[in-house]
Amino acid sequence: DTEVTQTPKHLVMGMTNKKSLKCEQHMGHRAMYWYKQKAKKPPELMFVYSYEKLSINESVPSRFSPECPNSSLLNLHLHALQPEDSALYLCASSSRLLQGLNSPLHFGNGTRLTVT
Amino acid sequence: AQTVTQSQPEMSVQEAETVTLSCTYDTSESDYYLFWYKQPPSRQMILVIRQEAYKQQNATENRFSVNFQKAAKSFSLKISDSQLGDAAMYFCAYRSPGGATNKLIFGTGTLLAVQP
Repeated sequence: DTEVTQTPKHLVMGMTNKKSLKCEQHMGHRAMYWYKQKAKKPPELMFVYSYEKLSINESVPSRFSPECPNSSLLNLHLHALQPEDSALYLCASSSRLLQGLNSPLHFGNGTRLTVT
Repeated sequence: AQTVTQSQPEMSVQEAETVTLSCTYDTSESDYYLFWYKQPPSRQMILVIRQEAYKQQNATENRFSVNFQKAAKSFSLKISDSQLGDAAMYFCAYRSPGGATNKLIFGTGTLLAVQP
């Protein structure tokens, strides 16, 4: 079982829809991440939150809007997406952003997003 | 900028045999962390093993071990007594110490098939 829970597992949305991806962890981690992964490619970092504040935005288009309501939850709001945004979206968490090796990333199972 | 290279897009191994996955990286930093992640069809990224660059001793985790050659900037993963459940995509990853980011730099991945 994963300690990082992502919902939904699958999502199909049209280009005019608004939807949200959700991520939850109860490990007391204070850093949370969104990654995008295309088929047979490595994950690409999108956003990093540290102590509920956005610390990294990897020049992600504004149609992706992250939100961290509290230390356990991370959302990704989607609006006006394009078909090329179809991918696996992975959430991850780690204990503290500025720590060393003993804060590896723990990943969820991802949300498979299809934009039609 | 740091880069991670996995030169084997696909590998195959017989059950119970040993296989080695290669990874090289490029960095000008003297201290850093290296990881191997496994991604089975379930999609979750699972940490397999990790290595601190300042440690000369190679990390081991049960059937998984690494051959860390700092001078050669090489970090290969050896899987002993391969099992069907080892079939997955394996990603090598690099991380800088400290700083304002816990950003992982991933290699392109090696797809491992285990033949019964």
